[in-house]
Amino acid sequence: KAGVTQTPRYLIKTRGQQVTLSCSPISGHRSVSWYQQTPGQGLQFLFEYFSETQRNKGNFPGRFSGRQFSNSRSEMNVSTLELGDSALYLCASSLAGGYLVEQFFGPGTRLTVL
Amino acid sequence: SQQGEEDPQALSIQEGENATMNCSYKTSINNLQWYRQNSGRGLVHLILIRSNEREKHSGRLRVTLDTSKKSSSLLITASRAADTASYFCATVFLGGNEKLTFGTGTRLTIIP
Repeated sequence: KAGVTQTPRYLIKTRGQQVTLSCSPISGHRSVSWYQQTPGQGLQFLFEYFSETQRNKGNFPGRFSGRQFSNSRSEMNVSTLELGDSALYLCASSLAGGYLVEQFFGPGTRLTVL
Repeated sequence: SQQGEEDPQALSIQEGENATMNCSYKTSINNLQWYRQNSGRGLVHLILIRSNEREKHSGRLRVTLDTSKKSSSLLITASRAADTASYFCATVFLGGNEKLTFGTGTRLTIIP
């Protein structure tokens, strides 16, 4: 099976712009989670989607949003970008919702905000 | 914060030696997972250990869990250069929102 794919892999934006990142989970996986990784804050949970519904959300401002489509592909959007949004954004998929089983991570999207 | 803490933050050992990393957490868990990350790339799942388990093995990896001390350790035996990476523990807390909470990570460097 193909692994989790994320597009684009690298992105450069300027402050105030918005960005959309995409994640395609492993075939058959219905849960997709998003994480932000920065040197200062480490790995932080953004949100989880299962069967097109947001099941869980981390402590991020409303500028961060996401959605999941019927084919389980997910997108996350960040509006009004700030310098502090520069990070590696990782998505992970799993067969079932929740975290009682292993998560399969994609390679990440490196976002740089200038 | 519920975030786990890992110890040490960085570890350098000679190839062939064993590497031990520790993870401590603050509240009761459902399970604890270990992940590896190579150089700012995606994470790779290593082992999941449930709260009612005390030890698990996978190849050269051995994970222990002590729920009374709220701690876990990851042992990599006979280390190889390819083991150079950052290692993270992640916990799923009981009674809280179901999400993975990652530790701060240990940066492991294997010296050939």
